[in-house]
Amino acid sequence: KQEVTQIPAALSVPEGENLVLNCSFTDSAIYNLQWFRQDPGKGLTSLLLIQSSQREQTSGRLNASLDKSSGRSTLYIAASQPGDSATYLCAVRPYGGSQGNLIFGKGTKLSVKP
Amino acid sequence: GAGVSQSPSNKVTEKGKDVELRCDPISGHTALYWYRQSLGQGLEFLIYFQGNSAPDKSGLPSDRFSAERTGGSVSTLTIQRTQQEDSAVYLCASSFPSGQKTGELFFGEGSRLTVL
Repeated sequence: KQEVTQIPAALSVPEGENLVLNCSFTDSAIYNLQWFRQDPGKGLTSLLLIQSSQREQTSGRLNASLDKSSGRSTLYIAASQPGDSATYLCAVRPYGGSQGNLIFGKGTKLSVKP
Repeated sequence: GAGVSQSPSNKVTEKGKDVELRCDPISGHTALYWYRQSLGQGLEFLIYFQGNSAPDKSGLPSDRFSAERTGGSVSTLTIQRTQQEDSAVYLCASSFPSGQKTGELFFGEGSRLTVL
């Protein structure tokens, strides 16, 4: 059974720091992995999607990597800003089973202090 | 539309009442998903629609929950005889199928349900 874990559950950093969020999954048979951010009381906003054949994706100050063989993905945020404060979730779309049943981690709550 | 639209954004109801939650996906997206997010919990899969295929209902927690998708577009999630444990944020998402384009999911803002 696929399980997705995000460590740490919460992270507080001063503004300007570079930081890495971690996501691990137990089964490497995935179509893709997607990173989201969620602001309090809001829905999820897609940040980056990495297909299983890809190693990384970049968007602005964000870079996501994928190592399927080790079951890990990282989200790197450069020069963090207070506006980056949110909960970051990763989700994998597994092969087989229901194509709709993406497996989500519980998220890392990031706080960037001015 | 420009994004996934959900209504109502907030719904307060009394235990035992029925509620309907609506989702209008991004135009052209054939896949539609419902998830539930309870306080302090992760996202829980409920149901998945893909085109004209039979929906995957494997995540529905009980027979009080049902969903339909009319004309391959708008979806309605219905909860009958609501219970306090149904209180949660119900999130809808849409995408192209995973085998086409990227399969990237786009979520709505959610419907917050409170059962008193």
